[in-house]
Amino acid sequence: QSVLTQPPSVSAAPGQKVTISCSGSSSNIGRNYVSWYQQPPGTAPRLLIFENNRRPSGIPDRFSGSKSGTSVTLGITGLQTGDEADYYCGTWDSSLSAVVFGGGTKLTVL
Amino acid sequence: QVRLVQSGAEVKKPGASVMLSCKASGYIFTSCYLHWVRQAPGQGLEWMGMINPVGGSTSYAQKFQGRVALTRDTSTSTVSMELRSLTSDDTAVYYCARDCTNLKWFDLWGQGTLVTVSS
Repeated sequence: QSVLTQPPSVSAAPGQKVTISCSGSSSNIGRNYVSWYQQPPGTAPRLLIFENNRRPSGIPDRFSGSKSGTSVTLGITGLQTGDEADYYCGTWDSSLSAVVFGGGTKLTVL
Repeated sequence: QVRLVQSGAEVKKPGASVMLSCKASGYIFTSCYLHWVRQAPGQGLEWMGMINPVGGSTSYAQKFQGRVALTRDTSTSTVSMELRSLTSDDTAVYYCARDCTNLKWFDLWGQGTLVTVSS
């Protein structure tokens, strides 16, 4: 069981928008920055969002992050088939003194 | 070129130990922490621990305490991870990842190393 909770899968059509939720608690998301990673099959994870809502250079503004209390959301607009991947949220858990991740969400672009 | 290059795949027997390496290039090695994250087949990401390349201080996930050791060699910009007493549950792809702010987000990942534990 992952400390952070994500839906196992989401799907949407090309060009549409999708959101992926990630919920935690006051010891992790509630008090620490959250990051998001994209992992296409057979590849290493890639940083999409850091510090809740900031994008590294090279990540298009179709990807966005938001935070409210002990939950965060990743938004992806203008879906492309190349966006099909697993998506993970991650943060520091102050009680566990460990980095924790969500279980991952598989995005299918229909 | 900024990158982390990991050592090659390993096959080990239960009870053995494995040592993996992660060589940094293209940036100042001592300016960023290095973490290890593993991923069992078909599973999610699992954090194992981190090392500060400056002094070599480490922090490990409780699950791996006593069984994992991270070390660094500043002369070769390399971090190594030793995992002992392997079981089949340790079969996974192991990644090193860079954290330049100590805010526990990872902007650069190695390519991953597959460790297979099988009798």
